[in-house]
Amino acid sequence: GQQVMQIPQYQHVQEGEDFTTYCNSSTTLSNIQWYKQRPGGHPVFLIQLVKSGEVKKQKRLTFQFGEAKKNSSLHITATQTTDVGTYFCAYGTSNDYKLSFGAGTTVTVRA
Amino acid sequence: NAGVTQTPKFRILKIGQSMTLQCTQDMNHNYMYWYRQDPGMGLKLIYYSVGAGITDKGEVPNGYNVSRSTTEDFPLRLELAAPSQTSVYFCASSPQVNTEAFFGQGTRLTVV
Repeated sequence: GQQVMQIPQYQHVQEGEDFTTYCNSSTTLSNIQWYKQRPGGHPVFLIQLVKSGEVKKQKRLTFQFGEAKKNSSLHITATQTTDVGTYFCAYGTSNDYKLSFGAGTTVTVRA
Repeated sequence: NAGVTQTPKFRILKIGQSMTLQCTQDMNHNYMYWYRQDPGMGLKLIYYSVGAGITDKGEVPNGYNVSRSTTEDFPLRLELAAPSQTSVYFCASSPQVNTEAFFGQGTRLTVV
């Protein structure tokens, strides 16, 4: 069945540094979404990628979808304390209507 | 605009009790989902629905039931609660398949 691995599970970052979290799938994805969950909160949609090789930016966040549509990354530059939380990738496939989530990367920031 | 509303926010159940977690959305979305999130873990899909009258199992459906009699409401029923069902439950909705999902605030359930 569908298997999406999200790495790393935890990311401890010095304020001002960059980091990247990855989602890797064993099969081709129809699309990928990214969500952020603040501690104690609910997941909030960040972005969706649909096209092979797609790159989108939101201020300090850069999202990529691989050429084979099997992996995706979220890169954050100049990390701030407001970036604390858990980042999830979420994905669907072309043959069902599920929206499944990766295990998430929990980010903590050292001031 | 309320979005997705879940009730209750918190609940403590005794083993063997049953309860219904309520979820309602006012965005006229066809797709609705129930997830559980265990401490420090990701979101596991319990059940989902593609429209009124249509539901299907997700990854972890055992011990749960759902119904979708209207577009707005998607209640999750727990029968014979077990400690393993202690979790935070999130309901979500989206207008179409593979589009942005909007989440409720969650229900924190403890089974003792």
